[in-house]
Amino acid sequence: AQSVTQLGSHVSVSEGALVLLRCNYSSSVPPYLFWYVQYPNQGLQLLLKYTSAATLVKGINGFEAEFKKSETSFHLTKPSAHMSDAAEYFCAVSDNRGYSTLTFGKGTMLLVSP
Amino acid sequence: DAGVTQSPTHLIKTRGQQVTLRCSPISGHKSVSWYQQVLGQGPQFIFQYYEKEERGRGNFPDRFSARQFPNYSSELNVNALLLGDSALYLCASSFGQGAHNEQFFGPGTRLTVL
Repeated sequence: AQSVTQLGSHVSVSEGALVLLRCNYSSSVPPYLFWYVQYPNQGLQLLLKYTSAATLVKGINGFEAEFKKSETSFHLTKPSAHMSDAAEYFCAVSDNRGYSTLTFGKGTMLLVSP
Repeated sequence: DAGVTQSPTHLIKTRGQQVTLRCSPISGHKSVSWYQQVLGQGPQFIFQYYEKEERGRGNFPDRFSARQFPNYSSELNVNALLLGDSALYLCASSFGQGAHNEQFFGPGTRLTVL
């Protein structure tokens, strides 16, 4: 069975500061990994995904994540936070079976202060 | 292009009632998945349909059922509603059924069970 652990239900940063959201996964097979963002009263939007190509993945809005197999981690980073980044972020894992079931973490709320 | 659409946006039901939620995928997408997102948690997989056949089912009771129509739209039915069924129900569509296919999420249907 696969699972995702997101450390920290809330992360607070100042505008312009580094954003680091942590994600650790468990999977019995090489995984596909995803980061989604959810703004209030909206659905999920894909930020980036890892599907066994380059281990450093660049996504939208300046976000990137690095797949580290030895640490079973896929942490999300952004060099400089913007007020518009305030939202809830979900890490998800999918094994590379025939169908695309996503297993999500509990989410991390990113708070950005001026 | 229109994204994934869901109806209704909000719904209030009482315990024991039945509810039907609807989802229209992005044009050309043949796979539809349903997720339940309880407040404060990440989305949890319920069903995946591809080419009108059930391809995956999460750990939900038989009160939950779904189907996919020839135009690839989908319905999620929940019978004998419980208070714990109160959640945001998300529909996601993708072109194919494999894990590498990006899933596009709709805005969700907010179900409240009183």
